[in-house]
Amino acid sequence: QQKVQQSPESLIVPEGGMASLNCTSSDRNVDYFWWYRQHSGKSPKMLMSIFSNGEKEEGRFTVHLNKASLHTSLHIRDSQPSDSALYLCAVPHDSGYNKLTFGKGTVLLVSP
Amino acid sequence: EAAVTQSPRNKVTVTGGNVTLSCRQTNSHNYMYWYRQDTGHGLRLIHYSYGAGNLQIGDVPDGYKATRTTQEDFFLLLELASPSQTSLYFCASSDAGGARAEQFFGPGTRLTVL
Repeated sequence: QQKVQQSPESLIVPEGGMASLNCTSSDRNVDYFWWYRQHSGKSPKMLMSIFSNGEKEEGRFTVHLNKASLHTSLHIRDSQPSDSALYLCAVPHDSGYNKLTFGKGTVLLVSP
Repeated sequence: EAAVTQSPRNKVTVTGGNVTLSCRQTNSHNYMYWYRQDTGHGLRLIHYSYGAGNLQIGDVPDGYKATRTTQEDFFLLLELASPSQTSLYFCASSDAGGARAEQFFGPGTRLTVL
C-alpha cells in the first residue's frame, strides 16, 4: 500500500525562527501534494497544495516540490506560537484520484 | 466557507453496542469521507461516497458500515462496537475534484468503547 513518510515526527523552533517539514511519497504516479494543519483539539484544515515542480509561496509559508524525488517540503519563516500544530501531508490515493492518503504528521511547537 | 457538521461530538458506549455517527454538509459537495484519527497512525480512511446511494470502501473498513442517504448526509455505523474502535472520527467533504479538491473537515466525534 502506498505510503506517505513525514519527517521529523516532532520539531521545536524558537519564535521568529524557520521551521522545515518534509514529506515523501512512495508512489511514483503521485503528482499532487497537500499540506493540512491541525491545531490541538481542532479538525484538519487545508494549508497549501502544490502540483508543479518548484516553489509556491503564501505569506510566511513556502512549499517546494521535486517530482523526480517525490519529495515536498513546507517551510514556515518567522514562526509564531500560533503555528504550533500537527502538519499533515497528503497525496492522491494510489487506487484513484477520489481519495487521499495522509502521512502521520509532524508536530510543530513554536516556543515563545 | 464549506460547512460540515457532525453529531454527536462525544459518545461513550460499551463493547457490543450499536453506534451511529452522523455527518451533514451544506455545500453541495459530491464527495464525503469518514476518517479515524489515532495517535501514531494519522488519519485513516474508513469509507467514502461520491453521491447519494453510493458507497466506496476505504483503507480500514472492517467493523464499519456507512450509508449516504442524501447528498448532504453521510452516516457511519458501528453495529458491534469494540474497544479497538475507540478513536476520534472525522467526516469531510470535497467537490467533484476528489483528491484534487480541498477537503473540508467537520469538528470530529470522540468515541469511547468501554
